[in-house]
Amino acid sequence: KQEVTQIPAALSVPEGENLVLNCSFTDSAIYNLQWFRQDPGKGLTSLLLIQSSQREQTSGRLNASLDKSSGRSTLYIAASQPGDSATYLCAASNYGQNFVFGPGTRLSVLP
Amino acid sequence: SQTIHQWPATLVQPVGSPLSLECTVEGTSNPNLYWYRQAAGRGLQLLFYSVGIGQISSEVPQNLSASRPQDRQFILSSKKLLLSDSGFYLCAWSLGGAGNTIYFGEGSWLTVV
Repeated sequence: KQEVTQIPAALSVPEGENLVLNCSFTDSAIYNLQWFRQDPGKGLTSLLLIQSSQREQTSGRLNASLDKSSGRSTLYIAASQPGDSATYLCAASNYGQNFVFGPGTRLSVLP
Repeated sequence: SQTIHQWPATLVQPVGSPLSLECTVEGTSNPNLYWYRQAAGRGLQLLFYSVGIGQISSEVPQNLSASRPQDRQFILSSKKLLLSDSGFYLCAWSLGGAGNTIYFGEGSWLTVV
C-alpha cells in the first residue's frame, strides 16, 4: 500500500530565500505525482503534476522534480515571498488507484 | 472552464442529527468524483469515490455514506452524526482514467457538538 511522507512538517524562512520541500513515497511504481497548495481553511489548489515518464515540471518560481527509483519528489520555490505562506501537500497515484496524500509541509515566509 | 461548487461552507450540527453535504461540477462530463476528510493537523483521508452515476466505492467503513444521483453531483450524508465526524470535508473531481490532475472544492467545515 502506498504511503507518502513529507519533511519538514513546518518551515519558516525569510523572504527572498530559495527553499526545497521534500516528499517521499514507498511504492515507486507510481503513475504520477501532484503538488498542491492549501491556504488556511480553504481547499487545495493544484500546482504541478508530474507524470511518471517525466523528471520535472516548472511553473513560474516553482519547480518539481521526480525520482521514482529513490521514491522522492521535491518542490523547489525560488525567491520566496510572504504570499507563498501556506501548507504544501504532495500526492502520489499508482495505476488504477487513487491519490495518496502526504501530511503536508506548513511554510511561513517572513517579510 | 470547469468549476466545482461545494456547500454549505460551514455547518454546526448536534450529535445524532443528519448530515448532507453537496458538491457539483460544471464544465465537464463523466468526471471521477471524490469526498475527502481532513482532520485537524492530519492529512487527507479518502472517504468515497465514484467513477459514474450510482457507482460508489468506500475507502473506510464509517458513519457516512455517499450518493451520485446525477453525473456531476456528489452528496455526502449521515443519518446520525458522531462527535468524531467533525472535520474539514473536501469534494474533488478528476477526468476519468489514470494520470489526471485532481481539482478540489473550497471545503465544508463540520463541527459536531
